[in-house]
Amino acid sequence: EIVMTQSPATLSVSPGERATLSCRASQSVGSKLAWYQQKPGQAPRLLIYGASTRATGIPARFSGSGSGTEFTLTISSLQSEDFAVYYCQQFNNWPHSFGQGTKLEIK
Amino acid sequence: QVQLQESGPGLVKPSETLSLTCAVSGYSISSDYYWGWIRQPPGKGLEWIGTIYHSGSTYYNPSLKSRVTISVDTSKNQFSLKLSSVTAADTAVYYCATIRGGYYIYWGQGTLVTVSS
Repeated sequence: EIVMTQSPATLSVSPGERATLSCRASQSVGSKLAWYQQKPGQAPRLLIYGASTRATGIPARFSGSGSGTEFTLTISSLQSEDFAVYYCQQFNNWPHSFGQGTKLEIK
Repeated sequence: QVQLQESGPGLVKPSETLSLTCAVSGYSISSDYYWGWIRQPPGKGLEWIGTIYHSGSTYYNPSLKSRVTISVDTSKNQFSLKLSSVTAADTAVYYCATIRGGYYIYWGQGTLVTVSS
């Protein structure tokens, strides 16, 4: 089973600044990685798939990069609606596995 | 636009079987895509439970495999989850989702299932 590890657990950033979230896989997943955003009381929403492709309707300030075992989600200029929990997920191997999440909070 | 809606009891007794259904609208479940269940214990992260293809092929989380059954009913355009021998550790929000290319593109709103006597 591939273990996904996200860091940091909590990230405090001011609106308008850049946020960088990390995700590491215990073995290579190629580019088969997705990022999700979850707000309180809501279902997760797909942001990025294939490590770097934005899902439909996702603003350009969200970008993903990386391959193999190291991945990054960058939010270039934080808006108030971006403060949420972010999860990475690998889909290279069964069982599909999620990271434990990074909570992005307002500084 | 694909829409998913979970339904089922919100309270299940310990040792009993949790049963949930996900009704799909806006897309024929027999056409393509995989369909899956994910859960989230209160205040915790996401856990993949299992996935089914419309043909009936299934993939389960090894940690739950002995207790999980996912099935599809193409005539009703829905798929279902059964989790047996539940304990308090199975208390969670349960989500159904549409899977394309391995990523979870559409999600239901989720349903909270509490295991308690």
